[in-house]
Amino acid sequence: GAGVSQSPRYKVAKRGQDVALRCDPISGHVSLFWYQQALGQGPEFLTYFQNEAQLDKSGLPSDRFFAERPEGSVSTLKIQRTQQEDSAVYLCASSQSGANVLTFGAGSRLTVL
Amino acid sequence: GESVGLHLPTLSVQEGDNSIINCAYSNSASDYFIWYKQESGKGPQFIIDIRSNMDKRQGQRVTVLLNKTVKHLSLQIAATQPGDSAVYFCAENSSGGYQKVTFGTGTKLQVIP
Repeated sequence: GAGVSQSPRYKVAKRGQDVALRCDPISGHVSLFWYQQALGQGPEFLTYFQNEAQLDKSGLPSDRFFAERPEGSVSTLKIQRTQQEDSAVYLCASSQSGANVLTFGAGSRLTVL
Repeated sequence: GESVGLHLPTLSVQEGDNSIINCAYSNSASDYFIWYKQESGKGPQFIIDIRSNMDKRQGQRVTVLLNKTVKHLSLQIAATQPGDSAVYFCAENSSGGYQKVTFGTGTKLQVIP
């Protein structure tokens, strides 16, 4: 596609619910990143995929967070038993192999009540 | 851990004036720096980058300066326009096999018409 697409754009969840956020990267982009952005803050790294392999998940804040990219294209970030502190914008970015420039999606804004 | 940081100032600039946004970084191993622009409701957008073997790089209306001695980056925007109003993040990438980018907290630029 022309850009990185994320869905849903907005998600409201009750505390304790599970949520799934989807990212469609630019076609052919090998690298895919998830970032978490709290209000008024810079994006914080969560995890990185190269094709279908999750090479770095050091930024995932707890074992309630899980990400996958089973076919090396679309990725899903799943948050189980959501807590209020999970409220943030979740950004997905992709890049070509070996490229330094990331192309970001518009993000999914999660609000946990 | 080491990080790139901005002490979240808000910079107000008259339309047509030049803007200078500053950033300090702490990771001496960083060898690649990027400026991103983030408009409300959108993901960060690449503006300009610079490698550590350079001290200046120019783009269209933008210039990035790098001072490795004091670990300081700046973004200069010439003839600032209302469309430049956004939050600006500096970010860094250390050579580590992939393009993990670490963001600072951002500076909000307000352009006064």
